[in-house]
Amino acid sequence: DGGITQSPKYLFRKEGQNVTLSCEQNLNHDAMYWYRQDPGQGLRLIYYSQIVNDFQKGDIAEGYSVSREKKESFPLTVTSAQKNPTAFYLCASSMFDRTGYGYTFGSGTRLTVV
Amino acid sequence: GESVGLHLPTLSVQEGDNSIINCAYSNSASDYFIWYKQESGKGPQFIIDIRSNMDKRQGQRVTVLLNKTVKHLSLQIAATQPGDSAVYFCAELGTDSWGKFQFGAGTQVVVTP
Repeated sequence: DGGITQSPKYLFRKEGQNVTLSCEQNLNHDAMYWYRQDPGQGLRLIYYSQIVNDFQKGDIAEGYSVSREKKESFPLTVTSAQKNPTAFYLCASSMFDRTGYGYTFGSGTRLTVV
Repeated sequence: GESVGLHLPTLSVQEGDNSIINCAYSNSASDYFIWYKQESGKGPQFIIDIRSNMDKRQGQRVTVLLNKTVKHLSLQIAATQPGDSAVYFCAELGTDSWGKFQFGAGTQVVVTP
């Protein structure tokens, strides 16, 4: 079955440490996205990528980095520059057109600073 | 900037009753809308969508209504069940957007016995 997989489900980060969240999809989707979700707030876009080897900053990119070396993969690194990283992170993918089937979301990674 | 928002952060519904979740949007260029359901600790799941050339669309136990005049979107859930307890988001896509949706903050629906 096609889908989008995020790992790990839970991640703990020490102060000053970089951590990488994995996102893999086998839907042959062109576009991939990373969102951050905090309690009581809507999804906020961190980074997105329309095609391989290209990505753009979203609304809250500071303290995060991404890569898109393969169509299937879009890992997110939370760097030590991100001062408040505790949140639920969602990866999504979609076709890069307006066929209108929206996003397919992963199951999320909950990151906690310890 | 333009945004998508919800009127009620929490909706308590008795099992068997109908639920209505509302969403206001302000981008007049939006022409495609989706409702997502998110259960605790999980990713959002597609429920139903509607394009701006429609006023109403029905699915299994769910109906989405679109009022472009007042820029309002609603999701109706018939005969609400305990499994419907979740956060519901609306999302909009503008004609000026290649594929980036804007999401509302969400409404928590709590189904009581």
